[in-house]
Amino acid sequence: RKEVEQDPGPFNVPEGATVAFNCTYSNSASQSFFWYRQDCRKEPKLLMSVYSSGNEDGRFTAQLNRASQYISLLIRDSKLSDSATYLCVVNDLNTDKLIFGTGTRLQVFP
Amino acid sequence: ETGVTQSPTHLIKTRGQQVTLRCSSQSGHNTVSWYQQALGQGPQFIFQYYREEENGRGNFPPRFSGLQFPNYSSELNVNALELDDSALYLCASSLRDIQETQYFGPGTRLLVL
Repeated sequence: RKEVEQDPGPFNVPEGATVAFNCTYSNSASQSFFWYRQDCRKEPKLLMSVYSSGNEDGRFTAQLNRASQYISLLIRDSKLSDSATYLCVVNDLNTDKLIFGTGTRLQVFP
Repeated sequence: ETGVTQSPTHLIKTRGQQVTLRCSSQSGHNTVSWYQQALGQGPQFIFQYYREEENGRGNFPPRFSGLQFPNYSSELNVNALELDDSALYLCASSLRDIQETQYFGPGTRLLVL
């Protein structure tokens, strides 16, 4: 079983739609969780950290369920510029490394 | 821009050759991590350097090695290149005490023929 699993997509949605991505992780010792965004042929960039209480940044909402080892990202009112690959990332403090999922590709069309 | 730079941006090598990739960390960052990203995959952790010492290693063979210099810049060396080494190599810099905030460089795209 992969340490971090994501649906690779692609998710094709119209502008204005709401889309949700899910991610599961296998190591219950994981302490920190993130969503990164990666544009085609570019480096990953931190989109937002994920906290147990859930957190929101504009149109983006991230949630963590430790009991189910599940992380989600919700994007409301999708824009064309949201088209990218969204990487679910877990930081295991025991090993000091970031573990990336394979990413979920989002394509927003007009 | 993150302030993390990598060189070269692209590289073509043949099987069996050796390659050195370079990374300059963001000002003030003392930790550099290296990742390999194959096409269609997420980045895979290779190793991390903190104050010139290796500080954690992923599931990569010994022909992947690295260095960190006193100014915290870093090199990734790969010996005896194989076709499967073709990938985007990313470095990320961070502060040792704030591991979760890692800033990525633009990457070096390596093609092994």
